[in-house]
Amino acid sequence: DAKTTQPTSMDCAEGRAANLPCNHSTISGNEYVYWYRQIHSQGPQYIIHGLKNNETNEMASLIITEDRKSSTLILPHATLRDTAVYYCIVRVEDGSSNTGKLIFGQGTTLQVKP
Amino acid sequence: SAVISQKPSRDICQRGTSLTIQCQVDSQVTMMFWYRQQPGQSLTLIATANQGSEATYESGFVIDKFPISRPNLTFSTLTVSNMSPEDSSIYLCSVGRGGRSGYGYTFGSGTRLTVV
Repeated sequence: DAKTTQPTSMDCAEGRAANLPCNHSTISGNEYVYWYRQIHSQGPQYIIHGLKNNETNEMASLIITEDRKSSTLILPHATLRDTAVYYCIVRVEDGSSNTGKLIFGQGTTLQVKP
Repeated sequence: SAVISQKPSRDICQRGTSLTIQCQVDSQVTMMFWYRQQPGQSLTLIATANQGSEATYESGFVIDKFPISRPNLTFSTLTVSNMSPEDSSIYLCSVGRGGRSGYGYTFGSGTRLTVV
């Protein structure tokens, strides 16, 4: 089962920051948080991932709370092309083999409006 | 990141037949996965394709229905056997390089399967 909870849908005005929350209260100490998005009819696209520290890349910022039980994905200046389903995923580790698998939850449908 | 070529991109099949989907990666990868996405739903992990050994299936998926091969570190196939209309879905291949540093996972564009 997915280890994350997200709101089903959100709206955001074009040009404004989109803040997408995610709860992962059962996360373990060595489990990473990943964010992907899926634009209609395409494969999921990697956005960002993190373990403990906040992360930023050219697409977004990831803010992880100190207790790691929740996180927020921030799209700093949302555009119409950011309309998609956003998935927050906790990577399920595969024992000691340094591998893991992504178990998707239902995601948040973000609608960016003009 | 790895580049994935997934074939076919779409197909329409008769019930009772089987379809084999191919996933080719442009570089060696540690992990390969197969997902199913039913209409309007999220992605569901079918199995982890293990190189040189039997795939590891998730709960609710069995080898007889979804046999998987992975002969090397760049190629895998998923077969959807004895298809019924309920198998109409998008099937996606995903790859990752693993490691504690948490490398990103790449997804193919998927195979859109319609069973009639």
